[in-house]
Amino acid sequence: EVQLVESGGGLVKPGGSLRLSCAASRFSFSHSDMNWVRQAPGKGLEWLSSIGSGSRHIYYADSVKGRFIISRDNAKNSLYLQMNSLRVEDTGVYYCVRNVAPVAGNFDIWGLGTVVTVSS
Amino acid sequence: QSALTQPASVSGSPGQSITISCTGTGSDVGGYNYVSWYQQHPGKAPKLIIFDVFNRPSGISHRFSGSKSGNTASLTVSGLQAEDEAVYFCSSYSSTTARLYVFGTGTTVTVL
Repeated sequence: EVQLVESGGGLVKPGGSLRLSCAASRFSFSHSDMNWVRQAPGKGLEWLSSIGSGSRHIYYADSVKGRFIISRDNAKNSLYLQMNSLRVEDTGVYYCVRNVAPVAGNFDIWGLGTVVTVSS
Repeated sequence: QSALTQPASVSGSPGQSITISCTGTGSDVGGYNYVSWYQQHPGKAPKLIIFDVFNRPSGISHRFSGSKSGNTASLTVSGLQAEDEAVYFCSSYSSTTARLYVFGTGTTVTVL
């Protein structure tokens, strides 16, 4: 079964940093566009960032632009999210998600998520 | 606009049909046929149930159907079943500079 497994979440103070990882298996990761999507407690989904299969095309939501950096290592089937200058409002579950159709935004594979809590 | 607008809740009896609306703008829902729908059960990750407005991924029940008119997309669940009780989110490609994709506010479906 295709799988995405996130890790790296935890408790961090405002202004701190955290690096999330996502390990992919049983699908062609190196040919897939990947994304990070988060969900604040009891709230809806928010798209954060996308990276193309070859890392040439990278996009960010305004809410994280300049603070978060998305990257990938196709040799390791892994996706990353470096989160800096964290704010309380960055608290939530962070999902690693595959976009099966570039541009269209058909998010067909989701990880179980990793929890990030930003609190003093 | 920070998110696509969905009704907070919709309910129906088993066997009935319900429809969830998803309203955006010409920069997202109205401008592109790139609307998708997701089902999320409590404590679980979202699951893609409709893509490109009306297409169903393999394995998704024919009871789920999608459509779009102008800036509003809709998801219809026919023959409502207890297992359909979940939160449903729409999503669309967005041509604004603020984000590449925008999700809806989410709709809680209750099976009475």
